[in-house]
Amino acid sequence: DAGVTQSPTHLIKTRGQHVTLRCSPISGHKSVSWYQQVLGQGPQFIFQYYEKEERGRGNFPDRFSARQFPNYSSELNVNALLLGDSALYLCASIWGVGPNTGELFFGEGSRLTVL
Amino acid sequence: AQSVTQPDIHITVSEGASLELRCNYSYGATPYLFWYVQSPGQGLQLLLKYFSGDTLVQGIKGFEAEFKRSQSSFNLRKPSVHWSDAAEYFCAVGARGNAGNMLTFGGGTRLMVKP
Repeated sequence: DAGVTQSPTHLIKTRGQHVTLRCSPISGHKSVSWYQQVLGQGPQFIFQYYEKEERGRGNFPDRFSARQFPNYSSELNVNALLLGDSALYLCASIWGVGPNTGELFFGEGSRLTVL
Repeated sequence: AQSVTQPDIHITVSEGASLELRCNYSYGATPYLFWYVQSPGQGLQLLLKYFSGDTLVQGIKGFEAEFKRSQSSFNLRKPSVHWSDAAEYFCAVGARGNAGNMLTFGGGTRLMVKP
């Protein structure tokens, strides 16, 4: 079975540009989360979506937005890119929300470099 | 707000030696606790988790962790390290009621293994 897949794997943008990152969850998983991992740091929670609704948001500016589609795939959008947005963006999926919903599975990430 | 501290940024051990990685958390109640491993250029893989019950938790690849409420700790251990264990290890905490979602990660400990 396919795991969590993310695209693109690497991309380079310049300051002020916009980026869209994509994620396909494991089949049967209805919840997708996004994390930002700056080099040398632990992942930081950005968003969680479940059944197309936002269920949680971390401490990120409004330049960051996301959505989930009927097939449970998700996009993360970042506007007006800053140098500090350079990071590995990780998508994770889990089958539901609430207790006893199993394990969070991570994709290999999209590495964004902002020049 | 919940937080996680991993006091050791780097640890080097000899192959075959025992290993203990430290993790301290801050949370108002008994949290959900996780250890993840990240190999270079890879996403995160769950090693083990604690939700409730027995405070000594067994995971994959021969790892175990012990939840100590009095010390707010969840240290990861392995009796004999293999060269393939060289990676970055992250401790994470999740709020009760939301299982594996919206995790707060520590800054990570990079493990190097000497032959």
